[in-house]
Amino acid sequence: DTAVSQTPKYLVTQMGNDKSIKCEQNLGHDTMYWYKQDSKKFLKIMFSYNNKELIINETVPNRFSPKSPDKAHLNLHINSLELGDSAVYFCASSSAGGENEQYFGPGTRLTVT
Amino acid sequence: GENVEQHPSTLSVQEGDSAVIKCTYSDSASNYFPWYKQELGKGPQLIIDIRSNVGEKKDQRIAVTLNKTAKHFSLHITETQPEDSAVYFCAASRGGYQKVTFGTGTKLQVIP
Repeated sequence: DTAVSQTPKYLVTQMGNDKSIKCEQNLGHDTMYWYKQDSKKFLKIMFSYNNKELIINETVPNRFSPKSPDKAHLNLHINSLELGDSAVYFCASSSAGGENEQYFGPGTRLTVT
Repeated sequence: GENVEQHPSTLSVQEGDSAVIKCTYSDSASNYFPWYKQELGKGPQLIIDIRSNVGEKKDQRIAVTLNKTAKHFSLHITETQPEDSAVYFCAASRGGYQKVTFGTGTKLQVIP
């Protein structure tokens, strides 16, 4: 069974479009994250949720809106996509915050043309 | 905020040799230091971590050392194998629900 799953795996879209990425974890964790990994492999946190509540928002443009319907799901909606949004987006989860192992999903490669 | 620097950015070693990756951090309040391995096309995976009350931790061929005074920590891989080839990330966190800040990554290539 996949611990952290993301859909879709690949997303190719045009500038100005709106898209969503979905994430689900079956580990029973209460904390979930979104990370962005750019072309240089730099991994940067975007958001963190604990029990459906936003606890970290790292100066991400408000075109990005996370939503956590329950503690097993954390989705990412992106409005008005820009070329600079092209990256790999990773969802992750952990049992409690930043001092426990984070389990990463397989990533969603977003390409904006 | 926390800043984590990682060196080298690329590292090539012969199979069987050792590999060392070094990181420094800026926030003296950081107390949790994980290391992640990312294989091509996959998400990062934790390989070892160390907390600030410990100076060294070992797990088979992998060891991590921490010097809190100097604010640096290192990953040591002995008897490297081709399957060790990947990108390795160090990271630091204050713990609790504070964010984990990742280093810039080291691409390790083990040459058979």
